[in-house]
Amino acid sequence: RKEVEQDPGPFNVPEGATVAFNCTYSNSASQSFFWYRQDCRKEPKLLMSVYSSGNEDGRFTAQLNRASQYISLLIRDSKLSDSATYLCVVKGSNNAGKSTFGDGTTLTVKP
Amino acid sequence: DAGITQSPRHKVTETGTPVTLRCHQTENHRYMYWYRQDPGHGLRLIHYSYGVKDTDKGEVSDGYSVSRSKTEDFLLTLESATSSQTSVYFCASREAGALDEKLFFGSGTQLSVL
Repeated sequence: RKEVEQDPGPFNVPEGATVAFNCTYSNSASQSFFWYRQDCRKEPKLLMSVYSSGNEDGRFTAQLNRASQYISLLIRDSKLSDSATYLCVVKGSNNAGKSTFGDGTTLTVKP
Repeated sequence: DAGITQSPRHKVTETGTPVTLRCHQTENHRYMYWYRQDPGHGLRLIHYSYGVKDTDKGEVSDGYSVSRSKTEDFLLTLESATSSQTSVYFCASREAGALDEKLFFGSGTQLSVL
């Protein structure tokens, strides 16, 4: 079983739609959680950290459920520019910070 | 964004030859990482460094070695390249103690082993 699992998609949605991605992790000792965005053939970039209480950044909402060991990302009012691959990332408590990446969920937003 | 550069950006080599990829960061970040990414897959950690001369293995370290003689430079060496090492290689760095624990990535190196 992979340490971090994501539904690969692809998710094809019309502009303005709401779309949600889920991610599960296997290591219950994991301490930090993130969503990264990766455009085609580019380097990943941090989209947002995920906090226990849930957090929002504009149209993006991230939630963490430690009991069920899953993380979610909700995108409201999808834009064409949201088309990308979204990577779920989990980091252990070790300060050296080995981060484990999911395989990514591909989103395509269509006009 | 952090100043992190990788070289070369593209490389084609032959099976059995040694290859060295370079990562250079100007942010004085303590932690540095090498990942590989294959089609349809996320990033897999090859090796990482938590300080000068301090390195450790990641999940896919076989066939790779690293060195970090200066804070700013982290080298990845393929001792004898194989076709299975054809991949995109990303270097990343992170500041120690940063609240957001953000990873900064280089632009990647596309390596083809023929």
